[in-house]
Amino acid sequence: AQSVAQPEDQVNVAEGNPLTVKCTYSVSGNPYLFWYVQYPNRGLQFLLKYITGDNLVKGSYGFEAEFNKSQTSFHLKKPSALVSDSALYFCAVRDNNAGNMLTFGGGTRLMVKP
Amino acid sequence: DGGITQSPKYLFRKEGQNVTLSCEQNLNHDAMYWYRQDPGQGLRLIYYSQIVNDFQKGDIAEGYSVSREKKESFPLTVTSAQKNPTAFYLCASKVAGRDNQPQHFGDGTRLSIL
Repeated sequence: AQSVAQPEDQVNVAEGNPLTVKCTYSVSGNPYLFWYVQYPNRGLQFLLKYITGDNLVKGSYGFEAEFNKSQTSFHLKKPSALVSDSALYFCAVRDNNAGNMLTFGGGTRLMVKP
Repeated sequence: DGGITQSPKYLFRKEGQNVTLSCEQNLNHDAMYWYRQDPGQGLRLIYYSQIVNDFQKGDIAEGYSVSREKKESFPLTVTSAQKNPTAFYLCASKVAGRDNQPQHFGDGTRLSIL
């Protein structure tokens, strides 16, 4: 079965410091990986995706993610966190064995303190 | 602006009552999805539709029903058979058959029990 794990329920970081939100996956075949962000009482907003090509993917709002095939990881990163980055972040993988639906991780709450 | 509109934003259900959540999109997307989000959990797929007049059960379809009579509309009915309906419901859409494209989300409906 294909799955996505976000091992940290919450990540705390000081404003201006680099941030990392972790995601590991388990799929058969080539993974299509996505990161989304959710602000309170809002829907999910797409940040970035990895389909193929360069392992370092750049997305919206200064976020980037590194695809690591050997470690089956797709960690979200940002060089300098902002207080406004505080939100809930979801990693998702296309599920090849379920009609190509997306399987979501449980989410990681990012708290950026001034 | 193109997007997905979910209504109402807040909904209250009485015991034994069916309620319908609206989802409308003007993105010209063929595929539409309904997810349920519970606190501390990721998104779980309720139903999805890849084309008008066709839909498929997701992981947690029991107690829910949908219809897809128009391309732009995918309403979800939470029936009285759903014993624990309190949750945040998210509707999404995407271009069908293009797995490298992200899903676009509405801003959700929060359903509570009276």
